[in-house]
Amino acid sequence: KNQVEQSPQSLIILEGKNCTLQCNYTVSPFSNLRWYKQDTGRGPVSLTIMTFSENTKSNGRYTATLDADTKQSSLHITASQLSDSASYICVVSAKGGSYIPTFGRGTSLIVHP
Amino acid sequence: KAGVTQTPRYLIKTRGQQVTLSCSPISGHRSVSWYQQTPGQGLQFLFEYFSETQRNKGNFPGRFSGRQFSNSRSEMNVSTLELGDSALYLCASSLESGRTDTQYFGPGTRLTVL
Repeated sequence: KNQVEQSPQSLIILEGKNCTLQCNYTVSPFSNLRWYKQDTGRGPVSLTIMTFSENTKSNGRYTATLDADTKQSSLHITASQLSDSASYICVVSAKGGSYIPTFGRGTSLIVHP
Repeated sequence: KAGVTQTPRYLIKTRGQQVTLSCSPISGHRSVSWYQQTPGQGLQFLFEYFSETQRNKGNFPGRFSGRQFSNSRSEMNVSTLELGDSALYLCASSLESGRTDTQYFGPGTRLTVL
């Protein structure tokens, strides 16, 4: 069964600090992995999309890494800001067959001043 | 460019009724996907439409249906509403494929079933 597990479930950090969120998946065959940021009461916003051959992808202060061998991804946030407070969701899509993306439950990040 | 718009933003219905939600994609985008988000299950894929055809469908009962018009606007319909259908319904548009292209989400429609 395709699954995506995210950790930690929630995280509290101080403004200016760095943090790393984890995503482990069992989706196969792998097509791509996405990270989304979702503010409370709003739709998700795409941060990165990575395919099998990509190890690292950056979007401003957000850097995603992918290890397709161990089926793990991480999202690193540098110099956090109050506006980074949100839920971060990992989504993995399989290749071929019917397209049904598998979502993680998300990591809730709170950045305190 | 205008973003993805969804109407209505909030909706209250009673059990047994049916509901239709609307989604207008970003201009030029031909793929529209629908998702359900609940505190218990998180985000789940409902279906994807491309060129007025349902291209993919998630694991939801037949009470959930949708369609896409020639201008790429999409509607989803839920018949015989159940309490468990209370959720945030999100639509997302992409250029050609929800599987490979960047998806842009709308603000969602918050459905409450009483």
